[in-house]
Amino acid sequence: EADIYQTPRYLVIGTGKKITLECSQTMGHDKMYWYQQDPGMELHLIHYSYGVNSTEKGDLSSESTVSRIRTEHFPLTLESARPSHTSQYLCASSERGRTGDQSTEAFFGQGTRLTVV
Amino acid sequence: KNQVEQSPQSLIILEGKNCTLQCNYTVSPFSNLRWYKQDTGRGPVSLTIMTFSENTKSNGRYTATLDADTKQSSLHITASQLSDSASYICVVSDRGSTLGRLYFGRGTQLTVWP
Repeated sequence: EADIYQTPRYLVIGTGKKITLECSQTMGHDKMYWYQQDPGMELHLIHYSYGVNSTEKGDLSSESTVSRIRTEHFPLTLESARPSHTSQYLCASSERGRTGDQSTEAFFGQGTRLTVV
Repeated sequence: KNQVEQSPQSLIILEGKNCTLQCNYTVSPFSNLRWYKQDTGRGPVSLTIMTFSENTKSNGRYTATLDADTKQSSLHITASQLSDSASYICVVSDRGSTLGRLYFGRGTQLTVWP
C-alpha cells in the first residue's frame, strides 16, 4: 500500500467556513497533485507541484489554493466553502521521471469526501 | 483534444466469469497507459502501467494489452471475484511536458454478483 495519506476522510461543513485538506507522503516524491472527482465522473486536475515552493493550477478551475513548503506535505485550502465545492478530493504523488520517460507510478491517497451544507 | 474513452460504462458479471474492459485514447504524444482500480469512496490503486513498446502485461488475474498503433487498450479480468467489484479507470500520460500530464477516463463500473 502506498505511503500517502489524506485527512480527514470525510468532512461536512457549513457554507462560508475555511477548510484545509491535508495530504502527506513519505516516499520523497517531488511531484504531487490534487484531483477533484464527482460520482461516476473522471478525475480532474486542480493543482500540482513539481517540488518545494512550486505550485501550478490544473485543468479545472478551482477556488482552492495550495502550498508546498515541505516535500512531503501538500495541503489544499478553501477560504470560503460553498455547496458547489461538494465533491471528492484526491491527492496523488509520483517521482520526477527522466526526461522523455514519464512511466513513473502515481500513488493516490484515500481521498477526502467534502460536503458543504 | 486529448481524450480517453472507456467502454462499457458499467458491467455486471457473475462470480467466476471473465470480462474485458476497453479503453480508446487520442492522447499524443503518448508516454504510457495505466489501469487503476478504484473502490467506492477510496483512491485509485494501480494495476498495470504500460509504455509504448509493451503489448501485454499481467498482474495476477488482470491482463492488460496495448495497441499503440490503433491507440487501444484492454483490461481482461479472469475468474472474477466479488472483490473485483469496483471502477476500473484507464489513465494515459503524455510526454509533451515534464509534468507527464495524466488524462483520465470515466471508468467502467464493474459489479460481480455471486
